[in-house]
Amino acid sequence: DGGITQSPKYLFRKEGQNVTLSCEQNLNHDAMYWYRQDPGQGLRLIYYSQIVNDFQKGDIAEGYSVSREKKESFPLTVTSAQKNPTAFYLCAVQGGGQPQHFGDGTRLSIL
Amino acid sequence: QKEVEQDPGPLSVPEGAIVSLNCTYSNSAFQYFMWYRQYSRKGPELLMYTYSSGNKEDGRFTAQVDKSSKYISLFIRDSQPSDSATYLCAMKRSGGSNYKLTFGKGTLLTVNP
Repeated sequence: DGGITQSPKYLFRKEGQNVTLSCEQNLNHDAMYWYRQDPGQGLRLIYYSQIVNDFQKGDIAEGYSVSREKKESFPLTVTSAQKNPTAFYLCAVQGGGQPQHFGDGTRLSIL
Repeated sequence: QKEVEQDPGPLSVPEGAIVSLNCTYSNSAFQYFMWYRQYSRKGPELLMYTYSSGNKEDGRFTAQVDKSSKYISLFIRDSQPSDSATYLCAMKRSGGSNYKLTFGKGTLLTVNP
């Protein structure tokens, strides 16, 4: 989706390292979401934010952190406490009564 | 019982076939139903969005919702090789917690030329 930019496309993490995934949107939507997708699994919600400076845990928040300092940005940090971080991470935005729209994801792997 | 069940396939059909993809669910509070298409190494793309029971058609795609049976379907007519992808169903409740989508695991479809 052209209005949602996730970077980088691929990311490698060393043991004990924190890494941050970027999600930026120019759609002026209030709500932003982070999901994790594993092979053969549905999408699982990590964190979501419905307004600037506020966010809530999803179903699998342990080992992750987020911030929402600007409406257009919702970065996700995968901390060293997340013991199984290898996955495809998807950012979504929602607004105007429409369903969620997704970015093209970041694939995180362990070195 | 999982909230949303979706046969993972894989499903392989010849070009031009009619494809039927299905999900069942257990939570009667679900009111909004979506189908997303996901190409390999890409994010899900919204295909269809329906509210409550009934049918919705968009080109070669038809979405059906049967709330009495807790069953949703996506039909693809005249399937094309470019339809080869994983199809995810998703649904959500109306009301206070209406932010959250619950996804099926996805069905992998291959359309052979």
